[in-house]
Amino acid sequence: DGGITQSPKYLFRKEGQNVTLSCEQNLNHDAMYWYRQDPGQGLRLIYYSQIVNDFQKGDIAEGYSVSREKKESFPLTVTSAQKNPTAFYLCASKAGRDGQPQHFGDGTRLSIL
Amino acid sequence: SQKIEQNSEALNIQEGKTATLTCNYTNYSPAYLQWYRQDPGRGPVFLLLIRENEKEKRKERLKVTFDTTLKQSLFHITASQPADSATYLCALADSNYQLIWGAGTKLIIKP
Repeated sequence: DGGITQSPKYLFRKEGQNVTLSCEQNLNHDAMYWYRQDPGQGLRLIYYSQIVNDFQKGDIAEGYSVSREKKESFPLTVTSAQKNPTAFYLCASKAGRDGQPQHFGDGTRLSIL
Repeated sequence: SQKIEQNSEALNIQEGKTATLTCNYTNYSPAYLQWYRQDPGRGPVFLLLIRENEKEKRKERLKVTFDTTLKQSLFHITASQPADSATYLCALADSNYQLIWGAGTKLIIKP
């Protein structure tokens, strides 16, 4: 079945550590997105990519980095510069045309040790 | 600033009744609006899209309306069932067609 796979489901970060969240899709979608979800707030866009080897900052990119070396993969690194990383992270993909729905993975919950 | 508001309090509905959820926005002229369902610990799942030139959209027991004058969308679930219990998110497309998300409304359908 086609879909988006995020791993791990749960992740713990130590002080000063970088951690990488995995996102893989087999939907052949061009666009991919990373969101952060905090209680009582809407999803906030961290980074997005419309095409391989290109990505753009979203509203809250500080302390995060991404790469898009393959169409299927869009990993997110939460760096030590992100001082409040505890959140639920969601990856999504979308077919190229505007108005198409976004397809989401089941998220990674990141906590601080 | 641009803002999207959904009822922050949970909505409790008796099974079989119609549930109505509200999404209000300010400082936008969105090209379209989408509704998603999110279950605990899962990613959102797309339900319906309605464009700015459409008044109403239906899909099975779901109905969405879009009033660009009131800057409001209503999401209805008719003949509600306990399995409809979830958090429902609305999202609007900004001028760059990026989605701006509401915080969601938790719907609880009581048997």
